[in-house]
Amino acid sequence: KAGVTQTPRYLIKTRGQQVTLSCSPISGHRSVSWYQQTPGQGLQFLFEYFSETQRNKGNFPGRFSGRQFSNSRSEMNVSTLELGDSALYLCASSFVGGLGQSYGYTFGSGTRLTVV
Amino acid sequence: AQTVTQSQPEMSVQEAETVTLSCTYDTSESNYYLFWYKQPPSRQMILVIRQEAYKQQNATENRFSVNFQKAAKSFSLKISDSQLGDTAMYFCAFMNGVFGNEKLTFGTGTRLTIIP
Repeated sequence: KAGVTQTPRYLIKTRGQQVTLSCSPISGHRSVSWYQQTPGQGLQFLFEYFSETQRNKGNFPGRFSGRQFSNSRSEMNVSTLELGDSALYLCASSFVGGLGQSYGYTFGSGTRLTVV
Repeated sequence: AQTVTQSQPEMSVQEAETVTLSCTYDTSESNYYLFWYKQPPSRQMILVIRQEAYKQQNATENRFSVNFQKAAKSFSLKISDSQLGDTAMYFCAFMNGVFGNEKLTFGTGTRLTIIP
């Protein structure tokens, strides 16, 4: 069974540009979350989608946005990039049981974004 | 808001020995999940073990086991017969058990090195 696939693996962008990252969850997983990982701030929650609806959002500025498609694939977008947006962006998917129980998130390998 | 604390930034142990990583958390919720994730240099976040708060029995996965003390809000990970492949960053994570609130709150991590 294929894991969580994130593309691209590496990205270099210039300050002020925008970027779109892609995530394909494990088949059957309808919950997709995004996290930012930096040496200074650690792992921080960005947002979570379930059945194309954003259910939770972390404490990030509006420059960070996302969406989920009907096939559960998700994208996140960062506009007007700043140097501080350089980070590893991790996508994770989860199967949610009929009673709402969670079995934990499976993570992708991440996209390393460098803003110069 | 939930917080997760890992008080050991770094640990090292000889191969084949047993090591215990500490984690404490703070929450007012009664229904939640706790996880240990491993992140090797390849940066893929791998789920090691999962514990449901309502289960008194400690979770076990092969050489990995937890000591879950709900009253003390403690969730330590024990690795038995440690192997070189266990070298990684280990993150403790909390997730609210309420359906629709599946976001992970991570600790700052413990860097574990297994010495040959």
